Amino acid sequence: GAVVSQHPSRVICKSGTSVKIECRSLDFQATTMFWYRQFPKQSLMLMATSNEGSKATYEQGVEKDKFLINHASLTLSTLTVTSAHPEDSSFYICSADSSSYEQYFGPGTRLTVT
Amino acid sequence: DQQVKQNSPSLSVQEGRISILNCDYTNSMFDYFLWYKKYPAEGPTFLISISSIKDKNEDGRFTVFLNKSAKHLSLHIVPSQPGDSAVYFCAARGSNYKLTFGKGTLLTVNP
Repeated sequence: GAVVSQHPSRVICKSGTSVKIECRSLDFQATTMFWYRQFPKQSLMLMATSNEGSKATYEQGVEKDKFLINHASLTLSTLTVTSAHPEDSSFYICSADSSSYEQYFGPGTRLTVT
Repeated sequence: DQQVKQNSPSLSVQEGRISILNCDYTNSMFDYFLWYKKYPAEGPTFLISISSIKDKNEDGRFTVFLNKSAKHLSLHIVPSQPGDSAVYFCAARGSNYKLTFGKGTLLTVNP
């Protein structure tokens, strides 16, 4: 299947700082990428849809100024958590649409804000 | 309002037996359904999918059944293996290719 990578896999940052997470589709081009968040023992919650060359579409309740998304190319989308707070600590996962109907997911990034 | 529901948070099955994971949905506009397997601290791995125009799709040990009138789908794994132990998420695709996920079912296959 298609491969999606995320970097970093784990990050610990201090409250008030910003953190950037990269999502790359390694062997296919993805016009659309998605960013999810998962709390412990919860489902994956869609945060935003990232389209190459255009602004991201955010789900209701997700602050676009706090979670900055950039989809600069067909293989790279970035999520920047700005002015992070402890409540932003979570597992962030990206996915990319391949030419088939399936979404392929990255391995996830564990963010811990101290 | 949860549009995709997996009512069983966990399921325990003996190795070699059949595992049946269930999923219900409420939105009749969903046109595609997917099952993902997930290990802790990893991203979900695609398993199998089914279009809303079909009622069954089979891939090796995995079969997905869709009952549109009941808005219900199920994933059958047979025979179950210990390596199948993971959390299984049901997902439904709506507009703009967005996926809505259930809360997952933890499957434990006992040797």
